[in-house]
Amino acid sequence: QAQLVESGGGVVQPGRSLRLSCAASRFIFSNYGMHWVRQAPGKGLEWVALILNDGSNKDYADSVKDRFTISRDNSKNTLFLQMNSLRAEDTAVYYCVRDSHASNWRGNWFDPWGQGTLVTVSS
Amino acid sequence: DIQMTQSPSSLSASVGDRVTIPCRASQSISTYVNWYQQKPGKAPKLLIYAASNLQSGVPSRFSGSGSGTDFTLTISSLQPEDFTTYYCQQSYSTPLTFGGGTKLEIK
Repeated sequence: QAQLVESGGGVVQPGRSLRLSCAASRFIFSNYGMHWVRQAPGKGLEWVALILNDGSNKDYADSVKDRFTISRDNSKNTLFLQMNSLRAEDTAVYYCVRDSHASNWRGNWFDPWGQGTLVTVSS
Repeated sequence: DIQMTQSPSSLSASVGDRVTIPCRASQSISTYVNWYQQKPGKAPKLLIYAASNLQSGVPSRFSGSGSGTDFTLTISSLQPEDFTTYYCQQSYSTPLTFGGGTKLEIK
């Protein structure tokens, strides 16, 4: 059973940076696209970013574009999310999610999901 | 951006009922819709992919249908563990978007 374990969440002041990691195991990491999806407290799900299996293509939600950067290290089976210029509205549980395919995202689905890591942006 | 609308945001039903949860896309998205179940404090779980395909391991009382702009998740006979929140999601174009969720409550 594929497993994803996020880390790196915590409390950070507005304007500061944080880097999330997601350790993947029990599947061939380099064969899948990956995503970050977040959920603000008591709210719905919001897709944040995607990266294809070889890192060649990335895309972002407008709400995080130019502030967040998604990346991956296939040699270490790890996904990252570098979050800069954090705002109060970035407060959420961040989920690492595997795409169903490798090199395209259209028509695909999210499975499995990690357990999530909480990021709180507050002074 | 494609808006996914789930209305109503909550539904009341009883154990054993058949329930349908609707989801509407703001433009035609073929069958590029997935459904997830989320229990409190837990990560979402994939139920249905590509509108009507049951994910492995998911009970057969769950089914999905629809194409174009209108989609439905159906639970044929509600079990106590089904009373939770359900989200639809489109994978037709980025930004990938979710519906606001429908919470299934016990009547």
